[in-house]
Amino acid sequence: NAGVTQTPKFQVLKTGQSMTLQCAQDMNHNSMYWYRQDPGMGLRLIYYSASEGTTDKGEVPNGYNVSRLNKREFSLRLESAAPSQTSVYFCASSEAPGNSPLHFGNGTRLTVT
Amino acid sequence: SQQGEEDPQALSIQEGENATMNCSYKTSINNLQWYRQNSGRGLVHLILIRSNEREKHSGRLRVTLDTSKKSSSLLITASRAADTASYFCATPSGGYNKLIFGAGTRLAVHP
Repeated sequence: NAGVTQTPKFQVLKTGQSMTLQCAQDMNHNSMYWYRQDPGMGLRLIYYSASEGTTDKGEVPNGYNVSRLNKREFSLRLESAAPSQTSVYFCASSEAPGNSPLHFGNGTRLTVT
Repeated sequence: SQQGEEDPQALSIQEGENATMNCSYKTSINNLQWYRQNSGRGLVHLILIRSNEREKHSGRLRVTLDTSKKSSSLLITASRAADTASYFCATPSGGYNKLIFGAGTRLAVHP
């Protein structure tokens, strides 16, 4: 039982490059989330998917897109990376949206130069 | 805007002492959650307390919720060096479909 798996663990991009962060969960959870964490700060919600087939914007969605590929997988895409997107990205899942515990992956450290 | 805010931002104590962290929030909630983050790792869920509960315990952790004051506290008793971490509260927002986190309290427990 792996929980929430994120790939890659580390990535360095040049400004303007694109990439997709992958996330998969094996807990049969309905809801999935993408957060970013900047140094010394809490987590800010980028996008979430309350259930398979739905996605919604969070607090800081600009510059990102998401795809809920199936119940297990939720990907985050940066179409044209900017230095302001340098951050640690966490994927999380939960049984139900908003009122059950989140299970987090170990994060992807992204640096945009 | 941030839903939950933790206080203090940083806390430094000796092993064996108790640590208390507070969280204030702005709008009505149906639950409040506390998480721990060790350096360089993802967050780990500690406790979920529902709006109709006033207190909840888990091992050395005690969480209280006062909905009239829109605040919660996390107490860690008899702290250990292994409790050194950042602690975050999280509350539902936007129709209760999403969890919003505060900036966290950094706890350092010295041997």
